[in-house]
Amino acid sequence: DAKTTQPTSMDCAEGRAANLPCNHSTISGNEYVYWYRQIHSQGPQYIIHGLKNNETNEMASLIITEDRKSSTLILPHATLRDTAVYYCIVRVMEYGNKLVFGAGTILRVKS
Amino acid sequence: DAGVTQSPTHLIKTRGQQVTLRCSPKSGHDTVSWYQQALGQGPQFIFQYYEEEERQRGNFPDRFSGHQFPNYSSELNVNALLLGDSALYLCASSFPLQEQDTQYFGPGTRLTVL
Repeated sequence: DAKTTQPTSMDCAEGRAANLPCNHSTISGNEYVYWYRQIHSQGPQYIIHGLKNNETNEMASLIITEDRKSSTLILPHATLRDTAVYYCIVRVMEYGNKLVFGAGTILRVKS
Repeated sequence: DAGVTQSPTHLIKTRGQQVTLRCSPKSGHDTVSWYQQALGQGPQFIFQYYEEEERQRGNFPDRFSGHQFPNYSSELNVNALLLGDSALYLCASSFPLQEQDTQYFGPGTRLTVL
């Protein structure tokens, strides 16, 4: 699985959009980009995933660049409850493939 | 629709003891993966069970073993506990033919080894 690079931490004002970048320059054509988040001492929560098209669900939007070498997770209106560690994971779409977590980005939403 | 559940929530053991952690997958899921998360680090893959067999294994010693039951629930067993086994143990479930095999995590079991 390709390696990802994320900023160590980011701050965001409550009510504003939070844009979390992820670099995955060695991504292969059959690798999906996944985002999870983990609120303190809880299990990781699945947010969204995509292959090459932009994706949106009730939680967030995922923007993948045309060359697929980077992506951005967007939380449109961040709240204090969005404070968490956000993990960007690149995963080969093979049956049963594991998730390989990096250090993630600590997002602090401030009032 | 119940999500992934794990038991117990917390557990305290002493060095050398053995421990069993339990996981019930999300309804409709047949694959269970286990992860270990040490304090301040991201989760690390231990192994995965499908059709009651270990399908994939990470870089963990044989002291870590598991089992999957016909109802798809799973157990993680750790023998001869070491202080370094203190961690949050996470279970994730998935179903390969749905959502590109997306894994959903339970709340975890916090194991403390004294």
